Amino acid sequence: DAKTTQPPSMDCAEGRAANLPCNHSTISGNEYVYWYRQIHSQGPQYIIHGLKNNETNEMASLIITEDRKSSTLILPHATLRDTAVYYCIVRAPGMNQGGKLIFGQGTELSVKP
Amino acid sequence: DTAVSQTPKYLVTQMGNDKSIKCEQNLGHDTMYWYKQDSKKFLKIMFSYNNKELIINETVPNRFSPKSPDKAHLNLHINSLELGDSAVYFCASSHGITNEKLFFGSGTQLSVL
Repeated sequence: DAKTTQPPSMDCAEGRAANLPCNHSTISGNEYVYWYRQIHSQGPQYIIHGLKNNETNEMASLIITEDRKSSTLILPHATLRDTAVYYCIVRAPGMNQGGKLIFGQGTELSVKP
Repeated sequence: DTAVSQTPKYLVTQMGNDKSIKCEQNLGHDTMYWYKQDSKKFLKIMFSYNNKELIINETVPNRFSPKSPDKAHLNLHINSLELGDSAVYFCASSHGITNEKLFFGSGTQLSVL
């Protein structure tokens, strides 16, 4: 699995967009980018994933650069409840060790009033 | 209804004891996992089961024995508990072994004294 690099921490004002970057310069052609988050004292929560096209769901948007070496998770209108550690994970599906997610240190996002 | 539920939420015990953590999912998934989050917050897979069959065993000491009586349950039994076993243990499930979209429980905080 490709290694990912994320800033250790970020701040965001409530109501503003939170843009969380992730570098994955060694990503392979068949590897997807997954984002999870972990709110304090809770289990990780799946947010979104994508291969090469930009993706959007009810939680967030995922923007993947054309060369796929980096991506950005966007929370369009951050709320205090979005304060969490956000993990960017690169993974090829269909492997016989599916579900073996490699969680790095992630980005600790603090949403401030 | 909680999708992935673990019991107990907190477990405090003495060194040398044997304890179990139970996990149940009502999502109809056929793959379940145990992850461990240590004091430095690193989250790492321990085991995965698919249709009650062990798929991943990440060189976990054999004092840890997962048991899957059916697809909806994956329990974790730990023998001869050691101080280093203190951590938060998360159960998770997914629809299929190649699906990287995992649903996590809220965790069991184990403290070994």
